Amino acid sequence: DIQMTQSPSSLSASVGDRVTITCRASQGISNYLAWYQQKPGKVPKLLIYAASTLQSGVPSRFSGSGSGTDFTLTISSLQPEDVATYYCQKYNSALLTFGGGTKVEIK
Amino acid sequence: QVQLQESGPGLVKPSQTLSLTCTVSGGSISSGGYYWSWIRQHPGKGLEWIGYIYYSGSTYYNPSLKSRVTISVDTSKNQFSLKLSSVTAADTAVYYCAREGIAARRGFDYWGQGTLVTVSS
Repeated sequence: DIQMTQSPSSLSASVGDRVTITCRASQGISNYLAWYQQKPGKVPKLLIYAASTLQSGVPSRFSGSGSGTDFTLTISSLQPEDVATYYCQKYNSALLTFGGGTKVEIK
Repeated sequence: QVQLQESGPGLVKPSQTLSLTCTVSGGSISSGGYYWSWIRQHPGKGLEWIGYIYYSGSTYYNPSLKSRVTISVDTSKNQFSLKLSSVTAADTAVYYCAREGIAARRGFDYWGQGTLVTVSS
């Protein structure tokens, strides 16, 4: 089974900072990767799919990149409302797997 | 606007079967084009995909839970359901239902609000 590993598991950054989260697949998954944002006590929200396509309504400060095994979610200018846990998820096969999550806090 | 809503008991006794239903509104399960999934989240932990069903009844389950999971669909009621047998405290979690497109795969674009199920005597 393909494992999805996110790093870091948590980070603290200042408002306005550029934040980067990494997701690594144990085998190649092409670009079949999605990113989700889960705010405290809320339902996960789809941010990005196909590794780099922004879901409708998602602010443009969010971007995704990568293909194969290494992927990145970037927040270009961190805002207070971005405090959340972010998950990657592969969907290259019938077995769907999430990464362990990255908790983003404001410094 | 598609909406999903989970329902079912919030408390289940150990060794019993957990049963949840997801009611879909704003779209028809039988129109095809989507997989309908169950996902859970243990308290304070990450997301775990349980399995999905297509409107035809075909299913795919997470191998880690496969021996205990059954997902079924009732297109007449626009609902799909989860049964998880022989539960233990380790099955205490928030359970979500969610939709994933097939032809235009993009992950889970619609989610239910989630329902907390506690396994305790």
